[in-house]
Formats: sequence, C-alpha cells, structure tokens
Amino acid sequence: DAKTTQPPSMDCAEGRAANLPCNHSTISGNEYVYWYRQIHSQGPQYIIHGLKNNETNEMASLIITEDRKSSTLILPHATLRDTAVYYCIVRVYNQGGKLIFGQGTELSVKP
Amino acid sequence: EPEVTQTPSHQVTQMGQEVILRCVPISNHLYFYWYRQILGQKVEFLVSFYNNEISEKSEIFDDQFSVERPDGSNFTLKIRSTKLEDSAMYFCASSDSTSYGYTFGSGTRLTVV
Repeated sequence: DAKTTQPPSMDCAEGRAANLPCNHSTISGNEYVYWYRQIHSQGPQYIIHGLKNNETNEMASLIITEDRKSSTLILPHATLRDTAVYYCIVRVYNQGGKLIFGQGTELSVKP
Repeated sequence: EPEVTQTPSHQVTQMGQEVILRCVPISNHLYFYWYRQILGQKVEFLVSFYNNEISEKSEIFDDQFSVERPDGSNFTLKIRSTKLEDSAMYFCASSDSTSYGYTFGSGTRLTVV
C-alpha cells in the first residue's frame, strides 16, 4: 500500500471550512484514498473514500487531484466536535483487507 | 445506526494472567478485525478473521494471542500470558463484503500491572 504524508497538526476556526491535505505520490491506479478520524482515543470512524473522482457525503468532501498524487479532505463547516486526529489511508480495495494507520493530522477546531 | 460493541470498556489484569476481550460485530458483517493502540502511538493492525479462520495477522500477533468466533455473534481476542507492554486500547472492527468503510468499536482499555 502506498505511503501517505500529512501535516502533524492544524487549527481551524469554528464554522469555517477545514481543509486537510494528504500527499500520496506513489499511489497505484487501483488504490483508493480513505479518510478516517479518531476522536479522543475512541475507535476510528470512517469518513469518506474515493478513487479518482471527487466525492461528497453528509460528513465531508474529498478532492483528489487529477494525477491522484494528493487529496484534500474538506469539512465544510467545522464544529468543536470535529476536533480529532484525521487519517489518510491509501490501499487497494479488497474484501477484508487491513488498514494501515499513520500518525495522521491532529485538527483542533477553536471557538 | 448499527454498532460494534466491545466489553469490558476497561480491564486491569496482573502480568502473566490470561485476558479475553469481547466484541459483538455488526450482525451481517463477514470480516472481523482486532487493532490496538498503545497510549500516544499509532493504531496498529493485529489480525483479520473471515470464514472462521485468520486471513491475515501482523508480527505483533504472536503465539500469545488468539481469536475465536465461538458463536454467531461474538468475536474474542485472548491474550494468554499478559505482559506490561500489552497495555493498550484494543479495538474490534467489522466490515461486510460490499461496504468500503469499516466500523470500529469504542475499544477496551487493557492495563497490565
């Protein structure tokens, strides 16, 4: 699975959009980009995933560059409850495959 | 929304004792996992389980660890002889054959003294 690089920490003002970057320059054509988050030592929570098209769900949007070497997770209106560690994970979709977590980005949403 | 349930939420055990961590995955899920997170460190994969057998395990998952699905609903992780370094949060997760996302439980905090 391709390696990812994320900034260790970011701040965001409450109500503003939080844009979390991820570099995955060695991503292969069949590898997906997944985002999870972990709020204060709770179990990781799935947010969104994508292959090459931009994706949006009720939690977030995922923007993947055309060359697929980087992506951005967007939380459109961050709240204090979005304070968490966000993990960008790249892997081939296969049924039952493991997730390899890096250090992630610690997002602090401030009032 | 369906949940993965883990019990107990916190367990304290003496070094050398056996512990069993319990998980109830989502009922229609087919793939089950255990992960652990030592305080302040990354979430680490331990083992995946499918069709009543281990499908993959990490180098952490040595002979002291075992997993079992004793009935149609429970999924357990056993540590035979606990060491101080086994102190961690242990997360169970499950997924089905079609979803891309895995659902994690809220974890069991294991403290070995």
